Amino acid sequence: AAGVIQSPRHLIKEKRETATLKCYPIPRHDTVYWYQQGPGQDPQFLISFYEKMQSDKGSIPDRFSAQQFSDYHSELNMSSLELGDSALYFCASSLGRTANNEQFFGPGTRLTVL
Amino acid sequence: QKEVEQDPGPLSVPEGAIVSLNCTYSNSAFQYFMWYRQYSRKGPELLMYTYSSGNKEDGRFTAQVDKSSKYISLFIRDSQPSDSATYLCAMNNQGGKLIFGQGTELSVKP
Repeated sequence: AAGVIQSPRHLIKEKRETATLKCYPIPRHDTVYWYQQGPGQDPQFLISFYEKMQSDKGSIPDRFSAQQFSDYHSELNMSSLELGDSALYFCASSLGRTANNEQFFGPGTRLTVL
Repeated sequence: QKEVEQDPGPLSVPEGAIVSLNCTYSNSAFQYFMWYRQYSRKGPELLMYTYSSGNKEDGRFTAQVDKSSKYISLFIRDSQPSDSATYLCAMNNQGGKLIFGQGTELSVKP
């Protein structure tokens, strides 16, 4: 079965650079969630989209922005990168945005900021 | 204080043992409860998904929810070395965003 696809899998950037992470949800899934997982930490919710509209916002820095496109894929744009942004970034998708819709996670993008 | 508390371990057991993993939570609005398994440097994999108080069984895994005590558990029977991973509890209410526990690192020794 098709899973959530994330690209790139690994990304190395310097401080103050920008990065773009991409997420391709499971086919027919209309909702995308972004989570950030620091070393030894649990995933923290950043932002979510349903039918191309932002549906919820968590602890996402103002330096970050995201959007969902007409084909339901999503991109997380990160600017003025800081050392503390180094983390695993997961995308999850679901069919529907309510609490009873199971979320399936992608393999993650490992971002390292030097 | 975090909304969801989970003992980070590490927890080490011999192969074949019964493993008990637990989380407590403070937000009584949480309605849906999940357990995810995460191997090192991989994405979380959904193991169990429950709504109401009670037990749900799937193979060697049993999820238990006690809403009155705000306490959830995951039991693994006949544990195998391949079960070695970090187990994350997660929950949500009306919205979709998941609130995770810190994760428990489990090691099953052959």
